[in-house]
Amino acid sequence: DTGVSQNPRHKITKRGQNVTFRCDPISEHNRLYWYRQTLGQGPEFLTYFQNEAQLEKSRLLSDRFSAERPKGSFSTLEIQRTEQGDSAMYLCATQLAGGTYEQYFGPGTRLTVT
Amino acid sequence: SQQGEEDPQALSIQEGENATMNCSYKTSINNLQWYRQNSGRGLVHLILIRSNEREKHSGRLRVTLDTSKKSSSLLITASRAADTASYFCATDLSSNTGKLIFGQGTTLQVKP
Repeated sequence: DTGVSQNPRHKITKRGQNVTFRCDPISEHNRLYWYRQTLGQGPEFLTYFQNEAQLEKSRLLSDRFSAERPKGSFSTLEIQRTEQGDSAMYLCATQLAGGTYEQYFGPGTRLTVT
Repeated sequence: SQQGEEDPQALSIQEGENATMNCSYKTSINNLQWYRQNSGRGLVHLILIRSNEREKHSGRLRVTLDTSKKSSSLLITASRAADTASYFCATDLSSNTGKLIFGQGTTLQVKP
């Protein structure tokens, strides 16, 4: 257990539905990252926050995806109008800026879009 | 897009043998990190090597970095069945963001 939690762990949804995932970071970590991982691939960066500010978004992040980190604590990732291609593991990771650079990953949320 | 390529994609060895995984990348880096992922779970940080370092050790792990060749290797000595997992290298291009770019990973199976 790294201290980063994600909920839900699994989500099955029908195409076209909206889904929201939550990540609770290690409390003192001010950076929070979202990655997406498909089967047999390494994680791909989606977006990151420093405190409550969203500082970078990947071009992979279509306008159906939105992420927030109110008050610089937990973060949510919402996918609107889900598509089958959104099926993946969504990973959250946190880091202490100015620290040792390593990231602490949550267990992930596995999304299946039917 | 993926920055790194890992080699081999899959590796199967007997317990007690050493396992070596290689990672190549394309652009200058701030540091390179190795992570382990057990099936269906999150990633666990193993070791980090900075761009000005050439070799680093942590327990049974040894990492090397050759910035002129843009490559790194991870050696696991005296492997155990519990080392069975996927291993990913990840490059940190800039300490300003900490964003990691991962390779495709090496799947290691250690047979008891």
